[in-house]
Amino acid sequence: SQKIEQNSEALNIQEGKTATLTCNYTNYSPAYLQWYRQDPGRGPVFLLLIRENEKEKRKERLKVTFDTTLKQSLFHITASQPADSATYLCALGGSTLGRLYFGRGTQLTVWP
Amino acid sequence: DGGITQSPKYLFRKEGQNVTLSCEQNLNHDAMYWYRQDPGQGLRLIYYSQIVNDFQKGDIAEGYSVSREKKESFPLTVTSAQKNPTAFYLCASSIGGHNSPLHFGNGTRLTVT
Repeated sequence: SQKIEQNSEALNIQEGKTATLTCNYTNYSPAYLQWYRQDPGRGPVFLLLIRENEKEKRKERLKVTFDTTLKQSLFHITASQPADSATYLCALGGSTLGRLYFGRGTQLTVWP
Repeated sequence: DGGITQSPKYLFRKEGQNVTLSCEQNLNHDAMYWYRQDPGQGLRLIYYSQIVNDFQKGDIAEGYSVSREKKESFPLTVTSAQKNPTAFYLCASSIGGHNSPLHFGNGTRLTVT
């Protein structure tokens, strides 16, 4: 069956450290992967998109990797801050999929 | 400012009543979507529309209905046939195409008792 798994439901790290979130998938062949941030009681906000032919993408303190052999994407937040505390969702997409498929999300807490 | 507006933020209904959730966008996006989010679960697609006057069922369409009479509007009706309607409902839009990022509204939390 098709699955999208995001590492542990909750991740707690100290301010200033690098947070690493994982998104693993099985039985999908996505052409791209998107990451979203969701704050409590609000809708997700798009952060980054990475295509299957891209190994890495960066945006300010964010870095995303995409390994189609391992069927995994890693999402890094460097120099994390308490304001980065939120739930982060990965989503797979592509023409063969027809639409986006979302993981359950990882709740990140950055403590001072 | 462009964006997606969902109203109301909180909605309470009695079991057996139909209820319609509003979603309006002024982003000039062609595609619109409805998702349901439950605690501990990912976003599940209810319905989506890629163009006016056309829409398709998602993964959990049973007990829901939609219309897309205008580009800006994509209302969702939760019918009495939906067995577990209490949830957080999210509307989204995109310019269309398979890799387009979604722009989400801030959701409607529906409670049915």
